[in-house]
Amino acid sequence: GNSVTQMEGPVTLSEEAFLTINCTYTATGYPSLFWYVQYPGEGLQLLLKATKADDKGSNKGFEATYRKETTSFHLEKGSVQVSDSAVYFCALSGQYGNKLVFGAGTILRVKS
Amino acid sequence: GAGVSQSPRYKVAKRGQDVALRCDPISGHVSLFWYQQALGQGPEFLTYFQNEAQLDKSGLPSDRFFAERPEGSVSTLKIQRTQQEDSAVYLCASSRPGTATNEKLFFGSGTQLSVL
Repeated sequence: GNSVTQMEGPVTLSEEAFLTINCTYTATGYPSLFWYVQYPGEGLQLLLKATKADDKGSNKGFEATYRKETTSFHLEKGSVQVSDSAVYFCALSGQYGNKLVFGAGTILRVKS
Repeated sequence: GAGVSQSPRYKVAKRGQDVALRCDPISGHVSLFWYQQALGQGPEFLTYFQNEAQLDKSGLPSDRFFAERPEGSVSTLKIQRTQQEDSAVYLCASSRPGTATNEKLFFGSGTQLSVL
């Protein structure tokens, strides 16, 4: 079945450092790929998405490129801020499905 | 309302008790989802409604779990005879009409259920 594997956290960075959170997936067909973020005390929010191979999703300085050849959707940001501290979830949905399959989440802590 | 609202925010139940968790989706949202999130894990799909119709309940872990959305708005997730393994955060999410059912989900803050 479909699955998502994320790098384990927590990831601790200093402000303005470069961020990469790895995400790989296993799926049949052509899934859509997502990154959701959960800030402390808040619900999950969609951060960015990509619906087909080679698409790049971007939002708030974060980017991720849908790589079909490596079945990956790594999240990157060039310069993190303290306010980016949160839990980041990679997720996929099947071509005909309405269920999101989530990774286990990666905690990001940014120090000033 | 402004967002997806879930209540209660926290629920403590004794093993064997029945619980009911409420979700108020964003007004006008057709699709509604329930997810279960165990500690340190990502959310796992439980069930999906389109209006009042429950179109997918394949993620419900046992027949002790029951969900309803009788008027196509508020939804209730009921767990009968709770067990310790039911302890988790239960998330509700909704999506706008006209969008694909698997995109741009708006999540509530969840109900944290602890079964003692």
